[in-house]
Amino acid sequence: GAVVSQHPSRVICKSGTSVKIECRSLDFQATTMFWYRQFPKQSLMLMATSNEGSKATYEQGVEKDKFLINHASLTLSTLTVTSAHPEDSSFYICSARIPGDRGWNEQFFGPGTRLTVL
Amino acid sequence: AQSVAQPEDQVNVAEGNPLTVKCTYSVSGNPYLFWYVQYPNRGLQFLLKYITGDNLVKGSYGFEAEFNKSQTSFHLKKPSALVSDSALYFCAVRVTGSQGNLIFGKGTKLSVKP
Repeated sequence: GAVVSQHPSRVICKSGTSVKIECRSLDFQATTMFWYRQFPKQSLMLMATSNEGSKATYEQGVEKDKFLINHASLTLSTLTVTSAHPEDSSFYICSARIPGDRGWNEQFFGPGTRLTVL
Repeated sequence: AQSVAQPEDQVNVAEGNPLTVKCTYSVSGNPYLFWYVQYPNRGLQFLLKYITGDNLVKGSYGFEAEFNKSQTSFHLKKPSALVSDSALYFCAVRVTGSQGNLIFGKGTKLSVKP
Protein backbone atom coordinates (compact mmCIF):
# COMPACT_ATOMS: atom_id res chain seq x y z
CA GLY A 1 0.00 0.00 0.00
CA ALA A 2 0.89 3.65 -0.19
CA VAL A 3 3.35 4.92 2.40
CA VAL A 4 3.35 8.31 4.08
CA SER A 5 6.22 9.43 6.27
CA GLN A 6 6.55 12.28 8.74
CA HIS A 7 9.60 14.01 10.08
CA PRO A 8 10.46 14.50 12.82
CA SER A 9 8.67 11.86 14.85
CA ARG A 10 9.20 13.81 18.02
CA VAL A 11 10.24 17.38 18.72
CA ILE A 12 10.69 19.41 21.88
CA CYS A 13 11.05 23.15 21.58
CA LYS A 14 11.01 26.28 23.67
CA SER A 15 8.02 28.56 23.80
CA GLY A 16 8.16 31.21 21.09
CA THR A 17 10.11 29.18 18.56
CA SER A 18 8.80 27.81 15.28
CA VAL A 19 8.70 24.16 14.36
CA LYS A 20 8.40 22.62 10.91
CA ILE A 21 6.88 19.20 10.36
CA GLU A 22 7.27 17.41 7.03
CA CYS A 23 4.83 14.98 5.47
CA ARG A 24 5.95 12.95 2.47
CA SER A 25 4.21 10.48 0.23
CA LEU A 26 6.94 7.97 -0.55
CA ASP A 27 5.59 5.90 -3.40
CA PHE A 28 2.82 7.98 -4.89
CA GLN A 29 2.02 11.55 -5.77
CA ALA A 30 -0.45 13.24 -3.50
CA THR A 31 -2.23 16.30 -4.80
CA THR A 32 -4.15 16.52 -1.57
CA MET A 33 -2.87 16.03 1.95
CA PHE A 34 -4.61 16.56 5.25
CA TRP A 35 -3.28 17.74 8.58
CA TYR A 36 -4.84 16.55 11.81
CA ARG A 37 -4.26 17.29 15.44
CA GLN A 38 -4.88 14.78 18.19
CA PHE A 39 -4.95 15.57 21.89
CA PRO A 40 -4.35 12.81 24.43
CA LYS A 41 -7.19 10.31 24.53
CA GLN A 42 -9.15 12.30 21.98
CA SER A 43 -10.06 11.96 18.37
CA LEU A 44 -8.35 13.45 15.36
CA MET A 45 -9.44 16.93 14.44
CA LEU A 46 -8.90 18.08 10.89
CA MET A 47 -6.89 21.27 10.83
CA ALA A 48 -6.51 21.92 7.14
CA THR A 49 -6.55 20.47 3.68
CA SER A 50 -3.37 21.01 1.72
CA ASN A 51 -3.49 21.16 -2.07
CA GLU A 52 -0.37 21.06 -4.20
CA GLY A 53 0.34 24.43 -5.76
CA SER A 54 -2.42 26.33 -4.02
CA LYS A 55 -3.32 27.72 -0.64
CA ALA A 56 -4.44 25.37 2.08
CA THR A 57 -8.03 25.31 3.24
CA TYR A 58 -8.27 25.70 6.98
CA GLU A 59 -11.03 24.39 9.20
CA GLN A 60 -13.00 26.81 11.30
CA GLY A 61 -11.13 27.90 14.39
CA VAL A 62 -7.66 27.04 13.06
CA GLU A 63 -5.37 30.05 12.80
CA LYS A 64 -3.81 30.03 9.38
CA ASP A 65 -1.11 32.49 10.40
CA LYS A 66 -0.06 30.25 13.24
CA PHE A 67 -0.19 26.96 11.40
CA LEU A 68 1.47 27.60 8.06
CA ILE A 69 0.99 24.91 5.46
CA ASN A 70 3.00 24.61 2.28
CA HIS A 71 2.41 21.95 -0.36
CA ALA A 72 5.12 22.81 -2.82
CA SER A 73 5.43 19.46 -4.53
CA LEU A 74 3.35 16.40 -5.23
CA THR A 75 5.15 14.44 -2.52
CA LEU A 76 5.72 16.97 0.24
CA SER A 77 3.56 19.07 2.50
CA THR A 78 4.91 20.96 5.48
CA LEU A 79 3.23 22.30 8.58
CA THR A 80 5.01 25.07 10.45
CA VAL A 81 3.83 25.91 13.94
CA THR A 82 4.90 29.51 14.39
CA SER A 83 5.68 31.02 17.78
CA ALA A 84 4.74 27.81 19.49
CA HIS A 85 3.27 27.84 22.96
CA PRO A 86 2.67 25.03 25.44
CA GLU A 87 -0.97 24.77 24.39
CA ASP A 88 0.23 23.81 20.91
CA SER A 89 1.72 20.63 22.34
CA SER A 90 -0.06 17.80 20.62
CA PHE A 91 0.24 14.86 18.24
CA TYR A 92 0.14 16.06 14.64
CA ILE A 93 -0.76 13.57 11.95
CA CYS A 94 -0.82 14.02 8.20
CA SER A 95 -2.56 11.92 5.60
CA ALA A 96 -2.71 11.76 1.84
CA ARG A 97 -5.00 10.34 -0.75
CA ILE A 98 -4.42 9.03 -4.21
CA PRO A 99 -4.83 11.61 -7.00
CA GLY A 100 -8.07 11.36 -8.85
CA ASP A 101 -9.75 9.74 -5.91
CA ARG A 102 -12.58 11.97 -4.80
CA GLY A 103 -12.56 10.57 -1.33
CA TRP A 104 -14.08 7.20 -2.03
CA ASN A 105 -11.02 5.40 -0.83
CA GLU A 106 -9.02 5.39 2.34
CA GLN A 107 -6.51 8.01 3.29
CA PHE A 108 -2.96 6.96 4.03
CA PHE A 109 -1.69 8.28 7.31
CA GLY A 110 1.76 9.23 8.45
CA PRO A 111 3.08 7.94 11.76
CA GLY A 112 2.56 11.27 13.48
CA THR A 113 4.76 13.90 15.13
CA ARG A 114 4.71 14.46 18.85
CA LEU A 115 5.28 18.16 19.57
CA THR A 116 6.11 19.28 23.08
CA VAL A 117 6.48 22.98 23.75
CA LEU A 118 8.20 23.88 27.00
CA ALA B 1 -24.26 18.61 10.52
CA GLN B 2 -22.45 15.39 9.86
CA SER B 3 -21.18 13.47 12.82
CA VAL B 4 -19.92 10.14 14.01
CA ALA B 5 -20.56 8.67 17.44
CA GLN B 6 -18.70 5.91 19.19
CA PRO B 7 -20.68 5.42 22.38
CA GLU B 8 -18.10 3.32 24.19
CA ASP B 9 -14.84 4.75 25.47
CA GLN B 10 -13.52 1.26 26.10
CA VAL B 11 -14.41 -2.29 25.22
CA ASN B 12 -12.97 -5.22 27.15
CA VAL B 13 -13.06 -8.76 25.79
CA ALA B 14 -11.31 -12.01 26.51
CA GLU B 15 -9.04 -13.50 23.90
CA GLY B 16 -10.95 -15.84 21.63
CA ASN B 17 -14.30 -14.17 22.24
CA PRO B 18 -16.12 -12.16 19.61
CA LEU B 19 -15.79 -8.40 19.75
CA THR B 20 -17.96 -5.50 18.64
CA VAL B 21 -17.01 -1.85 18.55
CA LYS B 22 -20.00 0.38 17.94
CA CYS B 23 -20.35 3.31 15.58
CA THR B 24 -23.34 5.38 14.51
CA TYR B 25 -23.34 8.19 12.03
CA SER B 26 -25.32 11.17 10.83
CA VAL B 27 -24.76 12.34 7.27
CA SER B 28 -26.58 14.01 4.45
CA GLY B 29 -26.78 11.78 1.42
CA ASN B 30 -25.10 8.42 1.05
CA PRO B 31 -22.55 7.65 3.74
CA TYR B 32 -18.99 6.66 3.02
CA LEU B 33 -17.75 5.00 6.17
CA PHE B 34 -14.33 3.90 7.34
CA TRP B 35 -12.69 2.14 10.26
CA TYR B 36 -9.12 2.85 11.27
CA VAL B 37 -6.93 1.44 14.03
CA GLN B 38 -4.24 3.32 15.93
CA TYR B 39 -1.48 1.77 17.98
CA PRO B 40 0.28 3.89 20.66
CA ASN B 41 2.18 6.86 19.24
CA ARG B 42 1.48 5.74 15.70
CA GLY B 43 -0.58 7.02 12.82
CA LEU B 44 -3.79 5.41 11.73
CA GLN B 45 -4.03 2.21 9.76
CA PHE B 46 -6.93 1.52 7.46
CA LEU B 47 -9.10 -1.49 8.32
CA LEU B 48 -12.09 -1.36 6.02
CA LYS B 49 -14.61 0.86 4.29
CA TYR B 50 -18.18 0.93 3.08
CA ILE B 51 -18.96 2.85 -0.07
CA THR B 52 -21.74 0.86 -1.67
CA GLY B 53 -22.77 -2.73 -2.25
CA ASP B 54 -22.93 -5.51 0.32
CA ASN B 55 -23.77 -4.36 3.81
CA LEU B 56 -21.20 -6.71 5.33
CA VAL B 57 -17.72 -5.48 4.61
CA LYS B 58 -14.63 -7.55 5.25
CA GLY B 59 -11.32 -5.90 5.99
CA SER B 60 -7.82 -6.38 7.31
CA TYR B 61 -6.76 -8.66 10.17
CA GLY B 62 -10.05 -10.57 10.18
CA PHE B 63 -12.21 -7.56 10.96
CA GLU B 64 -15.57 -6.93 9.37
CA ALA B 65 -18.27 -4.31 9.70
CA GLU B 66 -21.96 -4.27 9.00
CA PHE B 67 -23.61 -1.26 7.46
CA ASN B 68 -27.17 -0.80 8.71
CA LYS B 69 -28.92 2.06 6.99
CA SER B 70 -32.08 1.97 9.08
CA GLN B 71 -30.11 2.15 12.30
CA THR B 72 -27.43 4.43 10.82
CA SER B 73 -24.80 2.16 12.28
CA PHE B 74 -21.50 0.70 11.11
CA HIS B 75 -20.33 -1.57 13.92
CA LEU B 76 -16.91 -3.19 13.73
CA LYS B 77 -16.76 -6.88 14.52
CA LYS B 78 -14.36 -9.79 14.77
CA PRO B 79 -15.38 -13.38 15.52
CA SER B 80 -12.37 -14.20 17.70
CA ALA B 81 -10.32 -11.48 19.38
CA LEU B 82 -6.56 -11.56 19.74
CA VAL B 83 -4.46 -9.84 22.39
CA SER B 84 -2.68 -8.06 19.54
CA ASP B 85 -5.98 -6.45 18.55
CA SER B 86 -5.72 -4.22 21.61
CA ALA B 87 -5.57 -0.67 20.24
CA LEU B 88 -7.61 2.45 19.64
CA TYR B 89 -10.29 2.17 16.97
CA PHE B 90 -11.77 5.08 15.07
CA CYS B 91 -14.87 5.19 12.94
CA ALA B 92 -14.95 7.93 10.31
CA VAL B 93 -17.28 9.31 7.68
CA ARG B 94 -16.40 11.20 4.54
CA VAL B 95 -17.71 14.76 4.51
CA THR B 96 -20.23 15.13 1.70
CA GLY B 97 -18.99 17.38 -1.05
CA SER B 98 -15.47 17.61 0.34
CA GLN B 99 -12.12 16.57 -1.11
CA GLY B 100 -12.26 13.50 1.04
CA ASN B 101 -12.28 15.21 4.43
CA LEU B 102 -13.05 12.78 7.21
CA ILE B 103 -14.92 13.29 10.44
CA PHE B 104 -13.75 10.90 13.12
CA GLY B 105 -15.51 9.48 16.12
CA LYS B 106 -13.84 9.98 19.47
CA GLY B 107 -12.33 6.52 19.36
CA THR B 108 -12.86 3.34 21.33
CA LYS B 109 -10.08 1.65 23.21
CA LEU B 110 -10.19 -2.09 22.76
CA SER B 111 -8.54 -4.20 25.41
CA VAL B 112 -8.21 -7.93 24.81
CA LYS B 113 -7.09 -9.95 27.82
CA PRO B 114 -5.43 -13.37 27.57
